Amino acid sequence: QKEVEQDPGPLSVPEGAIVSLNCTYSNSAFQYFMWYRQYSRKGPELLMYTYSSGNKEDGRFTAQVDKSSKYISLFIRDSQPSDSATYLCAMSGGAGNNRKLIWGLGTSLAVNP
Amino acid sequence: EPEVTQTPSHQVTQMGQEVILRCVPISNHLYFYWYRQILGQKVEFLVSFYNNEISEKSEIFDDQFSVERPDGSNFTLKIRSTKLEDSAMYFCASSQQGAVTEAFFGQGTRLTVV
Repeated sequence: QKEVEQDPGPLSVPEGAIVSLNCTYSNSAFQYFMWYRQYSRKGPELLMYTYSSGNKEDGRFTAQVDKSSKYISLFIRDSQPSDSATYLCAMSGGAGNNRKLIWGLGTSLAVNP
Repeated sequence: EPEVTQTPSHQVTQMGQEVILRCVPISNHLYFYWYRQILGQKVEFLVSFYNNEISEKSEIFDDQFSVERPDGSNFTLKIRSTKLEDSAMYFCASSQQGAVTEAFFGQGTRLTVV
């Protein structure tokens, strides 16, 4: 079983839509759950992260972690054309593995005006 | 805003040649990383570096790879004898205190081995 799975899409939505992006994982040792945004020809940029379970909200973005299901989500409300990018989930374990990220494949999102 | 800078943005090299990818981390950062992304595949961890030594390396980071911080500002990745399968985007990242949640990534160097 792959450590982190993410549907690569592509996902195409109209402007203003709510976008739901998801990842599943198999390693129960993961404690940190990150979402990165990557524009074409750029490096990954951290959007937000969650430690352990729960929700975290930052403006139009909400990250959710369900450790019992090994499932994480990123919701984008009122999506904008500028949100068009690839969204990557990444995860890391506890103190011993705190410096290594395990990545999903990334989901390509297009928000159409 | 401080940023991680990588040069060159694109490097084309012949199979068997040595390449050095360069990174300038954010100035007060102490932890440094290299990741790579083969086209169409996941980003993969290569190596982490702290206090002038490797902290952790992946199975990918074999004897043909090496890292160095030669002058206190640059952080380099050397591939001694490039193979076709080394073609990928290589990302450098740095963080101040080693937490994965605070790592900043450079824009990447696209390495093409022909």
